[in-house]
Amino acid sequence: QQQVKQSPQSLIVQKGGISIINCAYENTAFDYFPWYQQFPGKGPALLIAIRPDVSEKKEGRFTISFNKSAKQFSLHIMDSQPGDSATYFCAASVRNLIFGKGTKLSVKP
Amino acid sequence: NAGVTQTPKFQVLKTGQSMTLQCAQDMNHNSMYWYRQDPGMGLRLIYYSASEGTTDKGEVPNGYNVSRLNKREFSLRLESAAPSQTSVYFCASSILRGAGNEQFFGPGTRLTVL
Repeated sequence: QQQVKQSPQSLIVQKGGISIINCAYENTAFDYFPWYQQFPGKGPALLIAIRPDVSEKKEGRFTISFNKSAKQFSLHIMDSQPGDSATYFCAASVRNLIFGKGTKLSVKP
Repeated sequence: NAGVTQTPKFQVLKTGQSMTLQCAQDMNHNSMYWYRQDPGMGLRLIYYSASEGTTDKGEVPNGYNVSRLNKREFSLRLESAAPSQTSVYFCASSILRGAGNEQFFGPGTRLTVL
């Protein structure tokens, strides 16, 4: 049973554009929603995270939007750059993290 | 401050062989984790250790054993490797801060079982 569904699987965006990755969850007990960024050959690294009592969190060009009633959350990358090309994972947890399957983002110059 | 380190980086095994993947962290974190990452599958939790002296099964524990040797070290053992265990293995440790339980990942071990 996949508890966190992530889409799209892959995304191609032009430099300067907005990248949007979506996740949906089922377990209403989840209380922590992080996004991880992974470059090829490296381990994932925390990018930004949110709790369900907040509808939006922004850190630089990265924003999480959270919709508790719809059980959805999304990552927005503003002014996307080629250096943002990586695989992004959403996750959710009560105790341990449940990861989405990942989105491979390619930002074209 | 090295963070989370893993050895080896690469390993090739034959079916039925055994091996131990090593993980160490120098951040004084209480909790440590072992994940496997397969193409299109995200990261799946194999085992975790909430504190020194405790270990618990995750989502995919079959075929694996773990040892929390001390607060710094958490090893993963494959007793009889199978081709289905070909994967990239990540160790992580965590600290409670900010919005929640922030996990720090090691660089991974790429394991191929022939």
